Amino acid sequence: QVTLRESGPALVKPTQTLTLTCTFSGFSLSTSGMCVSWIRQPPGKALEWLALIDWDDDKYYSTSLKTRLTISKDTSKNQVVLTMTNMDPVDTATYYCARIAVAGFDAFDIWGQGTMVTVSS
Amino acid sequence: DIVMTQTPLSSPVTLGQPASISCRSSQSLVHSDGNTYLSWLQQRPGQPPRLLIYKISNRFSGVPDRFSGSGAGTDFTLKISRVEAEDVGVYYCMQATQLMYTFGQGTKLEIK
Repeated sequence: QVTLRESGPALVKPTQTLTLTCTFSGFSLSTSGMCVSWIRQPPGKALEWLALIDWDDDKYYSTSLKTRLTISKDTSKNQVVLTMTNMDPVDTATYYCARIAVAGFDAFDIWGQGTMVTVSS
Repeated sequence: DIVMTQTPLSSPVTLGQPASISCRSSQSLVHSDGNTYLSWLQQRPGQPPRLLIYKISNRFSGVPDRFSGSGAGTDFTLKISRVEAEDVGVYYCMQATQLMYTFGQGTKLEIK
């Protein structure tokens, strides 16, 4: 059974750096075609794709947020970490990690439950 | 970046009646490998999104057959043949043809 779970602080102050961890099971990020992405959703708003890391350690970022984002993986721990610098109240959102298999479904087939992050002083 | 535009943004439907959601992309979603990476997701209230349809028309595991997807190029449609109460939520189209991935604004399906 494939599962993903997000973890991180529920509250961060403006200008701080946010670090989120996605811990997954049921698949390996060293398997060809496997990727994990981060997606966020402000309260009452639409989904926004943030970043992706693939089995080959290639990384891709949202055009509008790339200067603030860093994605990395620890294959031995089955974890993907996202850092976002210079947090602002507009970054208040639920942050999800999700799996996508290239040359498979090529869609986000499994999602974590999400973690709500509030940016406030 | 590819812009995904959904219509309508809200769809009140009578139980047992059909529903249809359209999604248009700002450029063709046909990948150089010949596939079209357009998917549909359902988000029930208080839940994470759930994959319904991938590559335009393929139902994901466990998805009822009342859900179907169609389209090509830049125009796509999600249809629900007979709406049930559990279908209430927000539906998103998403393209994975071009990195960066993009989602539509979401269509809220509610029962009349």
